[in-house]
Amino acid sequence: AQSVSQHNHHVILSEAASLELGCNYSYGGTVNLFWYVQYPGQHLQLLLKYFSGDPLVKGIKGFEAEFIKSKFSFNLRKPSVQWSDTAEYFCAVNARDTDKLIFGTGTRLQVFP
Amino acid sequence: ETGVTQTPRHLVMGMTNKKSLKCEQHLGHNAMYWYKQSAKKPLELMFVYNFKEQTENNSVPSRFSPECPNSSHLFLHLHTLQPEDSALYLCASSQVRDPAYEQYFGPGTRLTVT
Repeated sequence: AQSVSQHNHHVILSEAASLELGCNYSYGGTVNLFWYVQYPGQHLQLLLKYFSGDPLVKGIKGFEAEFIKSKFSFNLRKPSVQWSDTAEYFCAVNARDTDKLIFGTGTRLQVFP
Repeated sequence: ETGVTQTPRHLVMGMTNKKSLKCEQHLGHNAMYWYKQSAKKPLELMFVYNFKEQTENNSVPSRFSPECPNSSHLFLHLHTLQPEDSALYLCASSQVRDPAYEQYFGPGTRLTVT
């Protein structure tokens, strides 16, 4: 069965620090990959997605993610975080031969000024 | 109102009560979803409706009963729940039932079963 692992459960950073959140999935076939974000008190919303093409994907608010097929990974990065990036981040994977979207457990990011 | 709305935002119910959660989407989408979000667990997909037809039921106990009267509204009827059913219940919609299409989420209903 497919699964998604987010090993960082809680990350605490100071403003301007660089961010990398890990996401690994278990599925050998072709996948669509997503990062969703949930800001405090707000709805879960799409941050970025990868379907094909350039494995480095740019999303909103300066976030990017890199798909490394050989490592089954889709890590989220931001060179310099801001206090407003405090949120919970969810990685999600869809195996293209299914219609299921599988979410990870989420990573809570706290950014201090 | 735009996006996906859910009511109520908070619900406390006893194990013998019957209550319903409501979801409404104003996006013209054809697929709607119920998810359960528990602490430290992945989002669990419960039910999927596509063009008002239920297309997925992920082994959800019968004490949860979904209803989709039209493509804009989705209900989750609750009865004789257990304390372990306490969680955040999220509704989402997408243009069609295809993970390639972005899912838009509502704010959730925080359910506490006492």
